[in-house]
Amino acid sequence: GENVEQHPSTLSVQEGDSAVIKCTYSDSASNYFPWYKQELGKGPQLIIDIRSNVGEKKDQRIAVTLNKTAKHFSLHITETQPEDSAVYFCAAPSYNQGGKLIFGQGTELSVKP
Amino acid sequence: NAGVTQTPKFQVLKTGQSMTLQCAQDMNHNSMYWYRQDPGMGLRLIYYSASEGTTDKGEVPNGYNVSRLNKREFSLRLESAAPSQTSVYFCASSEVGGTSREKLFFGSGTQLSVL
Repeated sequence: GENVEQHPSTLSVQEGDSAVIKCTYSDSASNYFPWYKQELGKGPQLIIDIRSNVGEKKDQRIAVTLNKTAKHFSLHITETQPEDSAVYFCAAPSYNQGGKLIFGQGTELSVKP
Repeated sequence: NAGVTQTPKFQVLKTGQSMTLQCAQDMNHNSMYWYRQDPGMGLRLIYYSASEGTTDKGEVPNGYNVSRLNKREFSLRLESAAPSQTSVYFCASSEVGGTSREKLFFGSGTQLSVL
């Protein structure tokens, strides 16, 4: 079945710096890669996603890149702000689970003012 | 809009006790899900319901049962709670179901401790 590995587990940056979180997946049939942000005490919220027919997608300060050959995808946050501090999860579909999403282990991002 | 509402927010149980976690969504979504979140393990799917009247096992279904009461409500039951079920539980919904390429809408979670 699908296995999604996410690194690093914790990341601390200074305000204004960039942050990069990486995920690898095992199922070559995976074709959709979302990223969710979880703020303290809340449920995860979708912030950006990418489909397998594109290599990069941007939305203001966040971007996701996909390398299908290497089976990895990354979240890039530029000009980080304290409100970016949260736990971020990547995910990919598992076709052994009826196409349901398998989530990575999570990255706790801390942006220091 | 309320979105996805979970109750209770916090619960402490003794080993062997039973309880039901409640979830309701007001977005007319077809699919609903139950996840558990444990440190270092991300979100793991317990059960899901692709549409009213259907339920299926996810990655970690053992020790749990679910009921899709109607289109709005999806409950998760622990018949005999164990310390290994100490976790944060999230309910989620999605509009259509049947595909992974859909936005999931999550509730705010239930923190459960089993002593």
